[in-house]
Amino acid sequence: GESVGLHLPTLSVQEGDNSIINCAYSNSASDYFIWYKQESGKGPQFIIDIRSNMDKRQGQRVTVLLNKTVKHLSLQIAATQPGDSAVYFCAEIPFYGQNFVFGPGTRLSVLP
Amino acid sequence: ETGVTQTPRHLVMGMTNKKSLKCEQHLGHNAMYWYKQSAKKPLELMFVYNFKEQTENNSVPSRFSPECPNSSHLFLHLHTLQPEDSALYLCASSQDGGQGDRYGYTFGSGTRLTVV
Repeated sequence: GESVGLHLPTLSVQEGDNSIINCAYSNSASDYFIWYKQESGKGPQFIIDIRSNMDKRQGQRVTVLLNKTVKHLSLQIAATQPGDSAVYFCAEIPFYGQNFVFGPGTRLSVLP
Repeated sequence: ETGVTQTPRHLVMGMTNKKSLKCEQHLGHNAMYWYKQSAKKPLELMFVYNFKEQTENNSVPSRFSPECPNSSHLFLHLHTLQPEDSALYLCASSQDGGQGDRYGYTFGSGTRLTVV
């Protein structure tokens, strides 16, 4: 069935460096994608979203890239800060009107 | 505070107990969800309510019983749980655009449940 997965379960980066978190999805018809950040003891928080008719979308220090050819989604965080340490989830809506399918998550650790 | 409030934040219960989790959203959304999040597993959708009507039950055991009295409140009633039900239970809400679009998907902070 359709699935959303992550290439790397853990990622450690130096403070100030850029982070790239990757996500693969299997359904080429997926229409909408979201990245969530989950800090310890909290629920997932919306970071940024992108629709399938876009390749790139930028927010504050974050950029989401969508490559529909290879069904790949990435989240780029510029100048990573200690407060960025969290688990990051990608989520997709596999079919129009369906519910989100979440990936397993990547833990980002920011080293001082 | 995200606009979705869950209580209690932590709950320890025995396998013979009955307890309820509560979720309240202050966002004016019309859809609410229960998710289960356990260690090393993706978020698992349990129940979906649209306009107070249950529209999805993802093969959840009957020891979990949801209730949605209105669009702002969602409950998860628990009885005779098993230790493997220990997890973080997350509530979410969204605005259903009526054509399948779901806007503003927002999570609460969750209830950490431990079954002993």
